[in-house]
Amino acid sequence: QQQVKQSPQSLIVQKGGISIINCAYENTAFDYFPWYQQFPGKGPALLIAIRPDVSEKKEGRFTISFNKSAKQFSLHIMDSQPGDSATYFCAVKRENYGQNFVFGPGTRLSVLP
Amino acid sequence: NAGVTQTPKFQVLKTGQSMTLQCAQDMNHEYMSWYRQDPGMGLRLIHYSVGAGITDQGEVPNGYNVSRSTTEDFPLRLLSAAPSQTSVYFCASSLPPPSNYGYTFGSGTRLTVV
Repeated sequence: QQQVKQSPQSLIVQKGGISIINCAYENTAFDYFPWYQQFPGKGPALLIAIRPDVSEKKEGRFTISFNKSAKQFSLHIMDSQPGDSATYFCAVKRENYGQNFVFGPGTRLSVLP
Repeated sequence: NAGVTQTPKFQVLKTGQSMTLQCAQDMNHEYMSWYRQDPGMGLRLIHYSVGAGITDQGEVPNGYNVSRSTTEDFPLRLLSAAPSQTSVYFCASSLPPPSNYGYTFGSGTRLTVV
């Protein structure tokens, strides 16, 4: 079964710092790599996603870096703000179950003011 | 507002009781899925549907049933609640396939089984 490893489990960053969360997957036959953001008491929301034909995608302060050969992709949050404090999940497409996603275990980010 | 609506938001059940978690979306999405979220385990797929009348099992289907009579609705039924089903349940919808478009999630139902 497809496994997704995510690190770190938790992360504390000072306001204005850079937050980096990593995700590693096993299979190479995937074509869409999203990151989801979840605030307490809310459902996950799509934050940013990348396709493997590019190595990096930037949207505002959020950047995905993709390393196809290493089977890894990372989320970078520049100029981290207290409002970014949330749990972040990476996800990869499954080989089965109707192309649903398998999610990483999550990273809890706390940005200190 | 367009999106995925889940009811109820909170529920406490006694062991052995049954109940239905409701999910409705108004985006005309064909794909719908149910996930459960437990601490440290991410989101695990319970059941999914690729269109009205078509459902299939996910990775943790035991103890749950689903049906999809309309595009909009995808209820999840707990047949005989057990404490192991204490969790937060999320319904999600997507254009097909979700791996191309990503999911829109509801706000969740927090279920406690005592």
